[in-house]
Amino acid sequence: QSALTQPASVSGSPGQSITISCTGTSSDVGGYNLVSWYQQHPGKAPKLMIYDVTNRPSGVSDRLSGSKSGNTASLTISGLQAEDEADYYCSSYTSTTTLHVFGTGTKVTVL
Amino acid sequence: QLQLQESGPGLVKPSETLSLTCTVSGGSITSASYYWGWIRQPPGKGLEWVGSLYYSGATYYNPSLRSRLTISVDTSRNQFSLKLSSVTAADTAVYYCARHHGIGAVSGHMDVWGKGTTVTVSS
Repeated sequence: QSALTQPASVSGSPGQSITISCTGTSSDVGGYNLVSWYQQHPGKAPKLMIYDVTNRPSGVSDRLSGSKSGNTASLTISGLQAEDEADYYCSSYTSTTTLHVFGTGTKVTVL
Repeated sequence: QLQLQESGPGLVKPSETLSLTCTVSGGSITSASYYWGWIRQPPGKGLEWVGSLYYSGATYYNPSLRSRLTISVDTSRNQFSLKLSSVTAADTAVYYCARHHGIGAVSGHMDVWGKGTTVTVSS
C-alpha cells in the first residue's frame, strides 16, 4: 500500500490562506469519508486536527477546515499564523490489504 | 483523561527483537469500537502505520512488516505491546502508540497519542 501523496512543502505569509492536498485512490480517500489530518511540531507527537474529512475536534481552531473531492482531500488553513508552522499529515482508512495509510507529509512555512 | 505511554529499550542490536509496551491510563483498553495502534517515524521522515489491535482482539498489520510483527494485548494490565523481530537499521525510528476509532474492520482517526519513544537499531 503506497502512502497518500502530499506536496512536500507549502508556504504563506501571516494572514493568508493555504491549502494542502492529499491524493489517494478509490480504495482509501475517494471511497470513504475517513480522512483525518494531523499537525506535528518538531520533537512532538502528532495532534489530530480534522477527522472524517470535515470535523474539528474540540479545541482546534476554526481557521482549519477540511474537504474532499474525488480521490483528493484538502486541508485549508486561513488567517495563517506563526503557530501554524509545522508538518501536516493526512491519513485514511484503506480497504486494501492494510488498514490505515498516512500521507507523505507537508511542511508548512509561515514567511 | 485518557493517556498513553510507550516504554521499552532505546537500543536494540541488529537481528534481535524490538519489544515495546503501551500503557493506557484513564480508560479501559477493552472499550468497544476502538483500535490500539502503533505508528513509527524514522529520523527526518514521515509517519508510517505499523499495525493495530481492535478491542475484540483482531490484529491488523502493515504488509511490509507482517512477517516480523506481533501486536498483542494484556487486558489485566491495560497494556498492548509490539514485537518486531529481525530488526535492521531501517527499523530505527520514534515509535508512537495511539488510540483510533473504528467499527468492525474499518478504522478511523487517531485521537489520543503517546509522546513517542526512540528506538535505535545498532550494534
